[in-house]
Amino acid sequence: EAGVVQSPRYKIIEKKQPVAFWCNPISGHNTLYWYRQNLGQGPELLIRYENEEAVDDSQLPKDRFSAERLKGVDSTLKIQPAELGDSAVYLCASSFPGLAGGEQYFGPGTRLTVT
Amino acid sequence: EDQVTQSPEALRLQEGESSSLNCSYTVSGLRGLFWYRQDPGKGPEFLFTLYSAGEEKEKERLKATLTKKESFLHITAPKPEDSATYLCAVHSSNTGKLIFGQGTTLQVKP
Repeated sequence: EAGVVQSPRYKIIEKKQPVAFWCNPISGHNTLYWYRQNLGQGPELLIRYENEEAVDDSQLPKDRFSAERLKGVDSTLKIQPAELGDSAVYLCASSFPGLAGGEQYFGPGTRLTVT
Repeated sequence: EDQVTQSPEALRLQEGESSSLNCSYTVSGLRGLFWYRQDPGKGPEFLFTLYSAGEEKEKERLKATLTKKESFLHITAPKPEDSATYLCAVHSSNTGKLIFGQGTTLQVKP
């Protein structure tokens, strides 16, 4: 069974440029998460989707970050414009909803470097 | 406020030298406590779920235990392939979020 797929794996951009990350979750997983992981830290939730609905985006910096999950499957996370402090690994994860939501399956992440 | 603190930040062991990693937590309604393993350049990989105090789970050389305030990940006779960062997370019934600690980076030398 295929795991969570993310692309690109690495991205280097200059500040003020836009960037987008793509995620394809495990088939059958209705819940999709985007996390940001800074060096030496654990992942921090940015947004959680149940099917197409964003049910928790309280940690998403909405002035520059946006996300969408069309048709309840693939998802895209966008940053526009990027700032130096956005350099981090962006992880996508998926799970079954409800009580099983803590058992999440992560993709390999996209390492973003903003110069 | 939900919070997870792991200690130590880094641990170096000789092959075969058993030890424990600690995860202290405060959470408003514990749905579960989770241990993940993360290798360099990869996403976290699920290891265990613990739901209530006194519960224990085992997998190969790893055993996770849970009390009302903390969890331990015991590593018995570790091998170099056990080298990784181990992340602890609590699932809050209040927020529905998974709150991660900062991780413990384990290095096992042959």
